Amino acid sequence: DAKTTQPPSMDCAEGRAANLPCNHSTISGNEYVYWYRQIHSQGPQYIIHGLKNNETNEMASLIITEDRKSSTLILPHATLRDTAVYYCIVRTLNTGFQKLVFGTGTRLLVSP
Amino acid sequence: DTGVSQNPRHKITKRGQNVTFRCDPISEHNRLYWYRQTLGQGPEFLTYFQNEAQLEKSRLLSDRFSAERPKGSFSTLEIQRTEQGDSAMYLCASSVTRDGKGGNTIYFGEGSWLTVV
Repeated sequence: DAKTTQPPSMDCAEGRAANLPCNHSTISGNEYVYWYRQIHSQGPQYIIHGLKNNETNEMASLIITEDRKSSTLILPHATLRDTAVYYCIVRTLNTGFQKLVFGTGTRLLVSP
Repeated sequence: DTGVSQNPRHKITKRGQNVTFRCDPISEHNRLYWYRQTLGQGPEFLTYFQNEAQLEKSRLLSDRFSAERPKGSFSTLEIQRTEQGDSAMYLCASSVTRDGKGGNTIYFGEGSWLTVV
């Protein structure tokens, strides 16, 4: 799997948008960008994934640059419960085995 | 709750004892994964099952570790002769070969914390 680079930590004020960047400059054409988050002492929670188009769901939006070398996860109105470690992962999607390779992620702290 | 279920959530054991963790995946998920996570690190892959077949094992899975998925449903992870270095959170995850999201999204359980004293 391609390696990703994320800032180790970020701060965000409650109610503001949190924009979490991820660099994946060696991503291949058939690799998707996945985002998970892990709230303290809990298992990783799937957030969103995408290939090249921007994606939005009830949790977040994913913006992928045209060259696909970087992406941004957007939490439009961050709450205190969004404080967590956010992981950006790239992987192929096929019927064969594909494990998730986690880095150290970005620790997002949302403050009042 | 229809998510991945893990038991027990917490286990404290003495060094040298055996421990077993159980994972019940999401219903009809044919793929099951075990990961391990130590403090300050991201989860690390241990092993993978497709139905009842164990198809991938990480080098992290020493011979003291054994995982089974006897009927392609629930899975167990046993650690024999535990060592203090085994203290970690053990995560189970599951997925289907294809799902409605056009891929193989992997969903995690809440994890089982192991402390070896």
